[in-house]
Amino acid sequence: DIVMTQTPLSSPVTLGQPASISCRSSQSLVHRDGNTYLSWLQQRPGQPPRLLIYKISNRFSGVPDRFSGSGAGTDFTLKISRVEAEDVGIYYCMQATQFPRTFGQGTKVEIK
Amino acid sequence: EVQLVESGGGLVQPGRSLRLSCTGSGFTFGDYSMSWFRQAPGKGLEWVGFIRSKAYGGTTEYAASVKGRFTISRDDSKSIAYLQMNSLKTEDTAVYYCTRTTMVTPEDYWGQGTQVTVSS
Repeated sequence: DIVMTQTPLSSPVTLGQPASISCRSSQSLVHRDGNTYLSWLQQRPGQPPRLLIYKISNRFSGVPDRFSGSGAGTDFTLKISRVEAEDVGIYYCMQATQFPRTFGQGTKVEIK
Repeated sequence: EVQLVESGGGLVQPGRSLRLSCTGSGFTFGDYSMSWFRQAPGKGLEWVGFIRSKAYGGTTEYAASVKGRFTISRDDSKSIAYLQMNSLKTEDTAVYYCTRTTMVTPEDYWGQGTQVTVSS
């Protein structure tokens, strides 16, 4: 199974300041079709997860442009350019390149 | 509007069975593969299994932790995916989510989840 490792596990951020979360996979996430199926999900308190970013850097429908994804191969980053109060929650990276789907441990973003 | 609604959760004794349903609306259900995930109390997300659309054979994949105990099926005429859970264990206690998935946007929509509690 592909192991996904996120850092940090907790990220206290001042409103309006940037936040960055890293995700590393134990093997390359490049699929045989040439795509890299690395997604980022947001889970607000008491809510189900929500897709933010797919295939490394594509924002899903309705996702604000302050969220961006980057990376390649085994190293990926989610950035929030200016954190807002509604961004509080846990962020997960997830690989969909092969079964079983696997997730990072989650990074808790909270306001200082 | 795409919606997924899970149902069928509840309290069940160890060793018993439960069937969850995931009803989709706002899209052509049969065109999509569907997945099930779960989240134990205070824990992260865990993939449970997956069923391909009929166009891709309708075949299934399962996590090692549930293989042989859980079965995913679908009824496209009713826009429902099922998760049949047998021989339940206390460690299966979790909120169970279904998702719609495509190769382009894996797990793009999630339901609200249904709570399954396995306890004597």
